[in-house]
Amino acid sequence: DAKTTQPPSMDCAEGRAANLPCNHSTISGNEYVYWYRQIHSQGPQYIIHGLKNNETNEMASLIITEDRKSSTLILPHATLRDTAVYYCIVRVETAGNKLTFGGGTRVLVKP
Amino acid sequence: KAGVTQTPRYLIKTRGQQVTLSCSPISGHRSVSWYQQTPGQGLQFLFEYFSETQRNKGNFPGRFSGRQFSNSRSEMNVSTLELGDSALYLCASSQGDPLSYNEQFFGPGTRLTVL
Repeated sequence: DAKTTQPPSMDCAEGRAANLPCNHSTISGNEYVYWYRQIHSQGPQYIIHGLKNNETNEMASLIITEDRKSSTLILPHATLRDTAVYYCIVRVETAGNKLTFGGGTRVLVKP
Repeated sequence: KAGVTQTPRYLIKTRGQQVTLSCSPISGHRSVSWYQQTPGQGLQFLFEYFSETQRNKGNFPGRFSGRQFSNSRSEMNVSTLELGDSALYLCASSQGDPLSYNEQFFGPGTRLTVL
């Protein structure tokens, strides 16, 4: 699985968009980008994933650059409940269910 | 649907003992994965079971083992406990289709403390 690089922490104002970057410069053509988050004292929660097209669901949007070497997770209107550690994971879709977590980005949403 | 349940939620053991943790997946899910989370190493994959067979294994010593039953419930066992085994052990379940990614649903975890 390709290695990912994320900033260790970032703050965001409540109600504003949170843009979480992730670098994955060694990503292969068949590897997807996944985002999970872990709220304190809970298990990780799936957010979104994509291959090369931008994706959007009820939780977030995923923007992947054309060269696929980086991506950005966007939380459109951050709330206090979005305070969590966000993990960017790159892997092939058919690699079973193994997830390789890096350090993630600790996001603090402030009122 | 009920979520993933893990028992017990908290456990205290002493060095040298063994421990068994249990995970009940979401109804209909056939894959169960286990992860260890520590402050120093973060979230690390232990193993994955699908239809009672270990499908994937992380880089952990043989003291860590697991199994899955015909009803998809899973247990993991750690023998000869060491202080470094103190961690949050997370279980995740998914439908388990091997040809595509399956969203994993995590349980609340079992907090193991080894004294």
